[in-house]
Amino acid sequence: DAGITQSPRHKVTETGTPVTLRCHQTENHRYMYWYRQDPGHGLRLIHYSYGVKDTDKGEVSDGYSVSRSKTEDFLLTLESATSSQTSVYFCAISEDSGPDTQYFGPGTRLTVL
Amino acid sequence: AQRVTQPEKLLSVFKGAPVELKCNYSYSGSPELFWYVQYSRQRLQLLLRHISRESIKGFTADLNKGETSFHLKKPFAQEEDSAMYYCALSDPYNFNKFYFGSGTKLNVKP
Repeated sequence: DAGITQSPRHKVTETGTPVTLRCHQTENHRYMYWYRQDPGHGLRLIHYSYGVKDTDKGEVSDGYSVSRSKTEDFLLTLESATSSQTSVYFCAISEDSGPDTQYFGPGTRLTVL
Repeated sequence: AQRVTQPEKLLSVFKGAPVELKCNYSYSGSPELFWYVQYSRQRLQLLLRHISRESIKGFTADLNKGETSFHLKKPFAQEEDSAMYYCALSDPYNFNKFYFGSGTKLNVKP
């Protein structure tokens, strides 16, 4: 497995609380991504980063924000969690700017009650 | 908008039988296409991509631009092929934007 870790791996929280998920890589890859995985939808891109402090929105970015202050860390924040954000969240990294292979983290299972 | 459709949620075949997992896409431009696989208790990983034209674990995928399809095929399925398979494409106008299908669970029976 590529050097990608996600923390926490599991989290249960209540509606309205802020939540931050962390993705950490040791590969020094430039590009990082956050996806959510839901039954019937596959994986959907939330946000991605193309460098330190450089981020952009994906397909389902509403209700999420991201930050990348170091090459190795990409944070996903739910400012005020809702039940619709219950999902499995995956981080991915890639090396090149072209349509490059993505390497995925182990995932974080988030439950919002 | 880019879209990827995998019409089968579940595909069950017997060991040794041919298998085809369907993938259709809608696009504007020339997207790059991928197949990713997730084995039980493992991470999602690349199986193959169109541009490399490789055969991985006996799987091949042919891009049919006329039918906008990228079906995954294997002539003789093995039990270890049982997994979740996702077709994906990268937006030709922004390669960082990937679109995944909803996935097909392949179950290979002994």
